[in-house]
Amino acid sequence: AQKVTQAQTEISVVEKEDVTLDCVYETRDTTYYLFWYKQPPSGELVFLIRRNSFDEQNEISGRYSWNFQKSTSSFNFTITASQVVDSAVYFCALSRPISSGSARQLTFGSGTQLTVLP
Amino acid sequence: DAMVIQNPRYQVTQFGKPVTLSCSQTLNHNVMYWYQQKSSQAPKLLFHYYDKDFNNEADTPDNFQSRRPNTSFCFLDIRSPGLGDAAMYLCATSIHSYNEQFFGPGTRLTVL
Repeated sequence: AQKVTQAQTEISVVEKEDVTLDCVYETRDTTYYLFWYKQPPSGELVFLIRRNSFDEQNEISGRYSWNFQKSTSSFNFTITASQVVDSAVYFCALSRPISSGSARQLTFGSGTQLTVLP
Repeated sequence: DAMVIQNPRYQVTQFGKPVTLSCSQTLNHNVMYWYQQKSSQAPKLLFHYYDKDFNNEADTPDNFQSRRPNTSFCFLDIRSPGLGDAAMYLCATSIHSYNEQFFGPGTRLTVL
């Protein structure tokens, strides 16, 4: 069975603090993809990153960085020097095969509500 | 800009009155998805189209139907909305099913 766990339901930080959002996944597939999405109050899900299971290199994009560790089945997301505009719900997701051939479905975690206070 | 567009952004319907939500994309992506998202929950996949091939999730109620008349457009039909169908409905697209999905702004459905 595929599963994504985001144990942190809500996190509050003060602006300029660093914050790490945890994501732990379970899968029996050898090939899979991991994603992070941001959902601001407006409701639109914004794609942040995709990582495939063969690429364990960490990635940095501006204030965002991602730490993928296959050994612990984790794909954590860190925001450095957080800003009020970072306030949103963040979803970690895992893609898994579904019935129609090579098609894949996203399995979402339950999301982490991040609030950045001024 | 290439994008995923959903209309309307807010839809109010009456219990049992059919409603159609629309999604269009200028990305020319092969796959289009419909998700239902209830408050404080993760999005739940209802169905998806890979080109013209329709794929229904096993637990999607029969009350929900979809049409994809061409590459750019996809519709979600709710035949007899119940109070439990009030939710945000998100449309998404991807080039192929293993690529990242790009989401529209969603349609918030209210059922009176």
